[in-house]
Amino acid sequence: DAGITQSPRHKVTETGTPVTLRCHQTENHRYMYWYRQDPGHGLRLIHYSYGVKDTDKGEVSDGYSVSRSKTEDFLLTLESATSSQTSVYFCAINAGSGYTFGSGTRLTVV
Amino acid sequence: KQEVTQIPAALSVPEGENLVLNCSFTDSAIYNLQWFRQDPGKGLTSLLLIQSSQREQTSGRLNASLDKSSGRSTLYIAASQPGDSATYLCAVRAENNDMRFGAGTRLTVKP
Repeated sequence: DAGITQSPRHKVTETGTPVTLRCHQTENHRYMYWYRQDPGHGLRLIHYSYGVKDTDKGEVSDGYSVSRSKTEDFLLTLESATSSQTSVYFCAINAGSGYTFGSGTRLTVV
Repeated sequence: KQEVTQIPAALSVPEGENLVLNCSFTDSAIYNLQWFRQDPGKGLTSLLLIQSSQREQTSGRLNASLDKSSGRSTLYIAASQPGDSATYLCAVRAENNDMRFGAGTRLTVKP
C-alpha cells in the first residue's frame, strides 16, 4: 500500500542499548511521520519530516531522534532504550489523499 | 491543542445491524478528517477521507459525515458483517499538518 515498508517488524532489545527503526517509501512523498501506539493513548506523533534533512518534533519526542538523508528513508533512533519505549511504532506518509501507514514495528525493551 | 474523542470505546452488535461510530474534536479549524480501520496486530488502513469543505464521503457500505461547526464526525456502517470486526480510528488534521488521533472504537460483529 503506497509502497511503505518498515523494518524490522519485531525487535527485542535491552535497556540502555541504541535502536534504529527504518521506514522506506517508494513514491517520493515529501512528508513522513513516526508514531507510537500504546493502549490507552492511541497514536502519538514522535517526529516528522517535511523534506531531506528537514525534521521537527512531535508530541512525544523525548528520547528519540530522527534522520532523513534521502527522500525515501526516514530513520527513528532510540539513543538509549528504556522500558517506557516498549511500543508499536508506525511510520506514515502524507500522500495528498490522506495518510498511509506502514505495517508497524513491535519493539520490546527488556 | 486539538483533542479527539471516540465514543463508545467498544461496541458489540449482531450481524446485519446498521451502526454508527462517533468522533468528536475540540477545534473546528481542521484541514480534513480521516477514518481508519485497524485489525489486531496490524497497521492502519484508510477508509474514508473528508476534506473540511465536504459534508460526507461514501465507500460501499461505509458513509462518513462531517459537521465542523459542532466538531463531530460519524462513521455509518450498513448491514454489518463479522469481517467488519476491528478497531476504527478517526484522525483530525490541522492546516499545519498536525494530525491527532482518537483512541478508537473496538467493534465486534457477532455472526
